[in-house]
Amino acid sequence: EDQVTQSPEALRLQEGESSSLNCSYTVSGLRGLFWYRQDPGKGPEFLFTLYSAGEEKEKERLKATLTKKESFLHITAPKPEDSATYLCTVVSGNTGKLIFGQGTTLQVKP
Amino acid sequence: NAGVTQTPKFQVLKTGQSMTLQCAQDMNHNSMYWYRQDPGMGLRLIYYSASEGTTDKGEVPNGYNVSRLNKREFSLRLESAAPSQTSVYFCASRILPGQGSGELFFGEGSRLTVL
Repeated sequence: EDQVTQSPEALRLQEGESSSLNCSYTVSGLRGLFWYRQDPGKGPEFLFTLYSAGEEKEKERLKATLTKKESFLHITAPKPEDSATYLCTVVSGNTGKLIFGQGTTLQVKP
Repeated sequence: NAGVTQTPKFQVLKTGQSMTLQCAQDMNHNSMYWYRQDPGMGLRLIYYSASEGTTDKGEVPNGYNVSRLNKREFSLRLESAAPSQTSVYFCASRILPGQGSGELFFGEGSRLTVL
């Protein structure tokens, strides 16, 4: 069964304290992995797309990486404005369906 | 450029009442989607429309109906609301047809409470 698991569920960091969020997946034939950011009371906002193992994408303090079993969202020297819920979703090659993880809620304290 | 617009943003219903959530996108996208988001459940697909004139059931379609009115608009109807339908509803669109690759663009959500 296609499945996406994100960990941890919640993460508290001090400003400047780097860390990583994990997205583990089991799908038949990955057709793409997406990271989204969701602020409270808002819809998810697209961050990155990764298609193949070894691929990396960067945007400001965020860097997304992909292996055959998981993806990491690395946050370097985070700021309070990075506080949000980060969602991972994968596209199953077999079904073409989008499968969402439950998200990691990040809080960065000044 | 508004992107994906949902109305209403907030709604309170009594059990058994009906209502329609409206969604419109101005990005000329082919595919449109309705999701619901509940605490601890993540985003779950209710219905989607791969292209104008087609609609398909998602993961949790029971109790809902949809209409793809034209390329821009995709509405979600609750015929007889139940407390289990209390949720935040998101409309999304993407440029490619089908459910494959390509990022989703989301609206800001419609918060529905059924008493």
